[in-house]
Amino acid sequence: DSGVTQTPKHLITATGQRVTLRCSPRSGDLSVYWYQQSLDQGLQFLIQYYNGEERAKGNILERFSAQQFPDLHSELNLSSLELGDSALYFCASSVGTEGATEAFFGQGTRLTVV
Amino acid sequence: DAKTTQPPSMDCAEGRAANLPCNHSTISGNEYVYWYRQIHSQGPQYIIHGLKNNETNEMASLIITEDRKSSTLILPHATLRDTAVYYCIVRVRGTASKLTFGTGTRLQVTL
Repeated sequence: DSGVTQTPKHLITATGQRVTLRCSPRSGDLSVYWYQQSLDQGLQFLIQYYNGEERAKGNILERFSAQQFPDLHSELNLSSLELGDSALYFCASSVGTEGATEAFFGQGTRLTVV
Repeated sequence: DAKTTQPPSMDCAEGRAANLPCNHSTISGNEYVYWYRQIHSQGPQYIIHGLKNNETNEMASLIITEDRKSSTLILPHATLRDTAVYYCIVRVRGTASKLTFGTGTRLQVTL
């Protein structure tokens, strides 16, 4: 158990809909990362938040948005869903202080768009 | 972050050492070498990291060449449960730096 909690574990929804994925980081971790992994694809970095502020942005579509709340949990919002958005979505957290810090990943949310 | 190059796949017999290479010839002085692995569809798991000295923990050893342009992850006694995709990442130290995965090496441990 990494200590990072993602909900829900599975989500099935229709095209055009909007969903929210939730991530609770490990206690004390200030940084949250979101990744997308499509079938047989690599881990694509989407976005990173640190202590409530956006820190880095990767290949995140405009239909997707994220935020990190004062209690440090994070949500990834996916809207106008398309079949191609079906993927595993992972959240990771790290302490985010100076120096080398490892990131711990949750078990992911499997999103299926039908 | 510096680019890394890894072989796409490797095989290893159970009980033998698995040596996974990684080339990071453009690594800069403030970048660490990290290794993660992903067992089928699970969340990636942190293994080890280092700057320039060799490192060892309960999971693996990390050997970094003196010029830091390449490294090797060593699983001393591979088991079937070590079958996974292994990712070598170089990452700037400092506050919450981005963590970018490449394509990794698919390690298959066989009987």
